[in-house]
Amino acid sequence: LAKTTQPISMDSYEGQEVNITCSHNNIATNDYITWYQQFPSQGPRFIIQGYKTKVTNEVASLFIPADRKSSTLSLPRVSLSDTAVYYCLVAPMNSGYSTLTFGKGTMLLVSP
Amino acid sequence: DGGITQSPKYLFRKEGQNVTLSCEQNLNHDAMYWYRQDPGQGLRLIYYSQIVNDFQKGDIAEGYSVSREKKESFPLTVTSAQKNPTAFYLCASSRGVGETQYFGPGTRLLVL
Repeated sequence: LAKTTQPISMDSYEGQEVNITCSHNNIATNDYITWYQQFPSQGPRFIIQGYKTKVTNEVASLFIPADRKSSTLSLPRVSLSDTAVYYCLVAPMNSGYSTLTFGKGTMLLVSP
Repeated sequence: DGGITQSPKYLFRKEGQNVTLSCEQNLNHDAMYWYRQDPGQGLRLIYYSQIVNDFQKGDIAEGYSVSREKKESFPLTVTSAQKNPTAFYLCASSRGVGETQYFGPGTRLLVL
């Protein structure tokens, strides 16, 4: 299981770009990187997933360097509604429960 | 309208009582999961199921039981053996274990 390390919290202002980095030094060759967002008293929601280089969707971008030992979730022009906890999960596909461990995540607070 | 539902939203348990949390999905997913979340903490895996009539213990299965008689349903029973059941319980499903998970809205269990 690739252990992940994220900052406990981050602060930002509306309209800024936010980058949240996750360290996963022990990532395996067949591991994928997935980010989830969770609002209070709700279930986490899938944001983005990637294996290498860069992935972009309508919500965010995910940057993964060549050594894959870290990844950065980039949220462009955040708004107040982006205040949430963001989880980085590193796991191979179809590998069993040992890969299904969420850390404490990063609490992002966006201010006006 | 596809999705995953949990009921009830709030549940109260008396000392020594067993209670069952419902989880239903119409996404045609093979894998389903139950997580427990305590305040300010990440998600911890209780049980998961890869396919109908099969389920496996997660990290904190003691005091809990599950069944998977139908593909769509994965109920969780919190037994009297679980001494500290007060928490937020989240159910999720995915096409296969390790793939992107889709979460329900959660059930908050409180002990009277």
